[in-house]
Amino acid sequence: DAGVIQSPRHEVTEMGQEVTLRCKPISGHDYLFWYRQTMMRGLELLIYFNNNVPIDDSGMPEDRFSAKMPNASFSTLKIQPSEPRDSAVYFCASSIGTSGAGELFFGEGSRLTVL
Amino acid sequence: AQTVTQSQPEMSVQEAETVTLSCTYDTSESNYYLFWYKQPPSRQMILVIRQEAYKQQNATENRFSVNFQKAAKSFSLKISDSQLGDTAMYFCAFMGATQGGSEKLVFGKGTKLTVNP
Repeated sequence: DAGVIQSPRHEVTEMGQEVTLRCKPISGHDYLFWYRQTMMRGLELLIYFNNNVPIDDSGMPEDRFSAKMPNASFSTLKIQPSEPRDSAVYFCASSIGTSGAGELFFGEGSRLTVL
Repeated sequence: AQTVTQSQPEMSVQEAETVTLSCTYDTSESNYYLFWYKQPPSRQMILVIRQEAYKQQNATENRFSVNFQKAAKSFSLKISDSQLGDTAMYFCAFMGATQGGSEKLVFGKGTKLTVNP
């Protein structure tokens, strides 16, 4: 299996622009998670889905952030409009919930820089 | 809410020696999972080892082992025979074991480990 695939790997944009980050989970995994990593706050869970349905979005910072999972093999995290404080590495991860072990498999992350 | 605390922001060890990374957590749940993830400079998060709270025996994976003290809510990682490739950020993480499977993973702030030649 190719693992969790994220794109883009790097994104540099200007304040006010829309940013879309993409994730393809591992086939057969029924949970998908979006995390944000910064030096100051560490790894924060933004939102997670189970069977394409958002379960907990309490970590989404504000209305500028939105996430969708239209099908089992694709998810997006959108920031509109972007701000410099959104600069971070965004990770997507997936897991098989029924295993009970909860191992998350992470993508390589998307490094976002907002100027 | 669960919290995970890693009190050592940075550590260093000589190659071939043993190092222990500390982690404590706070939860009211009786059953849960604990993990150590490694993040090398390449940025990818890699699972190192996991422990189910209901198991008394400490988990081991080759050179990696844990000291799980449930009453003390402590979960330390021991790396034996340290190798240069072990240089990375190490994150301790907690997951509640709800019925139906996976839940969200709560991470500590991480410990930066440097293995010196």
